[in-house]
Amino acid sequence: RKEVEQDPGPFNVPEGATVAFNCTYSNSASQSFFWYRQDCRKEPKLLMSVYSSGNEDGRFTAQLNRASQYISLLIRDSKLSDSATYLCVVSYSGTYKYIFGTGTRLKVLA
Amino acid sequence: ETGVTQTPRHLVMGMTNKKSLKCEQHLGHNAMYWYKQSAKKPLELMFVYNFKEQTENNSVPSRFSPECPNSSHLFLHLHTLQPEDSALYLCASSQDVTGQETQYFGPGTRLLVL
Repeated sequence: RKEVEQDPGPFNVPEGATVAFNCTYSNSASQSFFWYRQDCRKEPKLLMSVYSSGNEDGRFTAQLNRASQYISLLIRDSKLSDSATYLCVVSYSGTYKYIFGTGTRLKVLA
Repeated sequence: ETGVTQTPRHLVMGMTNKKSLKCEQHLGHNAMYWYKQSAKKPLELMFVYNFKEQTENNSVPSRFSPECPNSSHLFLHLHTLQPEDSALYLCASSQDVTGQETQYFGPGTRLLVL
């Protein structure tokens, strides 16, 4: 089983739609969680960290479910500019090991 | 954004060549990383440096040789590579290596080995 698993997609959604991605992780010792965004042929950039209580940043909401070992990303009112690959990242406290998922590709259609 | 820069951006090399990738971070961070990103695969951590000291060599073949002369600069020396080494090589930095830090990535070097 992969340490971090994501549905590769693509998720094709119309503008204005709400879309959600999940990411499962296998190691319960995982401590920190992140969503990164990677545009085609560009480097990954932090979208948001995921906190235990869940957090929101504008149209983006991240949730953590430790019992079921998954994190989620919800995007409301999708924009064309949201089209990208979304990478789930987990790490372990006190270490430098960031484990990346393969990413979920989102296409927002006009 | 110029927080983390990488050169060259593209590189084509033969299997007998020797080349070096360069990374520089202007963020005052203490930790630097090399990652490999191949098509349809997750980012693979290759090397980690913390305060110029290598703290991780993730079972990387010896044909990849990192060098970290100071906390701002990181090199990846390449020699006798194989075609399967063709990939995007990303450099990243973070303030520390607590595992809770945001990593900032450079634009990457797209490498093709012929």
